[in-house]
Amino acid sequence: DVKVTQSSRYLVKRTGEKVFLECVQDMDHENMFWYRQDPGLGLRLIYFSYDVKMKEKGDIPEGYSVSREKKERFSLILESASTNQTSMYLCASSLNTGPQETQYFGPGTRLLVL
Amino acid sequence: GEDVEQSLFLSVREGDSSVINCTYTDSSSTYLYWYKQEPGAGLQLLTYIFSNMDMKQDQRLTVLLNKKDKHLSLRIADTQTGDSAIYFCASGSGNTGKLIFGQGTTLQVKP
Repeated sequence: DVKVTQSSRYLVKRTGEKVFLECVQDMDHENMFWYRQDPGLGLRLIYFSYDVKMKEKGDIPEGYSVSREKKERFSLILESASTNQTSMYLCASSLNTGPQETQYFGPGTRLLVL
Repeated sequence: GEDVEQSLFLSVREGDSSVINCTYTDSSSTYLYWYKQEPGAGLQLLTYIFSNMDMKQDQRLTVLLNKKDKHLSLRIADTQTGDSAIYFCASGSGNTGKLIFGQGTTLQVKP
């Protein structure tokens, strides 16, 4: 079974702090994704990566950056957390394209910014 | 940009059938997906359908695809309280690796 893990289930940070969210997958997947989930808005793509050291902006990249130094690990960075970044953050990975574009999700990190 | 739309809420009685509907705009969608999210958890893939299929059945789940109208539905037969969750529809083009998700439909199953 594919396993995607996220470093924290719950996180509380203060406005202005730098926040790191880590995601690790164990199935040698090429693609990794970061989403945020807000009620009524569904999942919105923040950033994704097709390969090590590669990154692409999603629909809402402002205020975020990412890092992919190793194939299995994809980090989301909030350079200076703000209250409007309070949300559920979901990481996903997929093997490639075609039916292998099926994305497998981690359990999510619920971030509260005070 | 491309879009996927779902109604936000559906309530059914235990034992009834549930039908969750979804519309999408990307005519190049190759695969369409249904994911389930239980409270406090990530998304779990339920099923997917290739765009050249009209229907796919998997135990209590039936997926219907009307490609002309860009309409997808998920039918859950004999709905149980354990089916209470948020259901997300997603479309994929098959060549970018990206999926576009709908807003999610919260299914409430009353005993």
